[in-house]
Amino acid sequence: EVQLVESGGGLVQPGGSLRLSCAASGFTFSSHWMHWVRQAPGKGLVWVSRIDTDGRTTNYADSVKGRFTISRDNAKNTMYLQMNSLRAEDTAVYYCVGSEFYLGKWGQGTLVTVSS
Amino acid sequence: DIVMTQSPESLAVSLGERATINCRSSQSVLYSSNNKNKLAWYQQKPGQPPKLLIYWASTRESGVPDRFSGSESGTDFTLTISSLQAEDVAVYYCQQYYSTPYTFGQGTKLEIK
Repeated sequence: EVQLVESGGGLVQPGGSLRLSCAASGFTFSSHWMHWVRQAPGKGLVWVSRIDTDGRTTNYADSVKGRFTISRDNAKNTMYLQMNSLRAEDTAVYYCVGSEFYLGKWGQGTLVTVSS
Repeated sequence: DIVMTQSPESLAVSLGERATINCRSSQSVLYSSNNKNKLAWYQQKPGQPPKLLIYWASTRESGVPDRFSGSESGTDFTLTISSLQAEDVAVYYCQQYYSTPYTFGQGTKLEIK
């Protein structure tokens, strides 16, 4: 059974940092591009970032470029999102997603709240 | 960035009737390697993550009921539910995976009339 389990979310003050993790199982993690997609409360889906199979190629939405860093450890079947200089508008549920072109495998999400 | 425009924003359909959701991309999302459109549809129920329904514009994901179908005409895409069931109440999103940033439509909320 495919499982993607996010962790690391929580309440953080504006300007603070958080590191999200995504533990994968039930599929060949090292063969899949991986993504983060977020959803603000009551709003739609927004793609945040992606990383290729060996971690050499990364892409970011303009809204997070320079503040967020995506990475992965294929030996641990885990992906990360380091989030720095957090803003109120970063408040959202963050989903870990595995892809074969399309976004086929979704985690349950972890909530990040940026507030003082 | 490719803009995905979905319509309508909300839709109320009677049980057993057809539901149609439209999506338009601001530019071509045709993948030259297989001549297929890089367009997917997702279903999201309250409190749940999105679920992939359709990819390559018209290929149904494994396990998705055959009442769900996707069609395309140039940069116009359609998700059709042939006979609405109560469990189909959800928000539906289209999304292009042709280029980053991947972009989603704003969502269509489907309800029972």
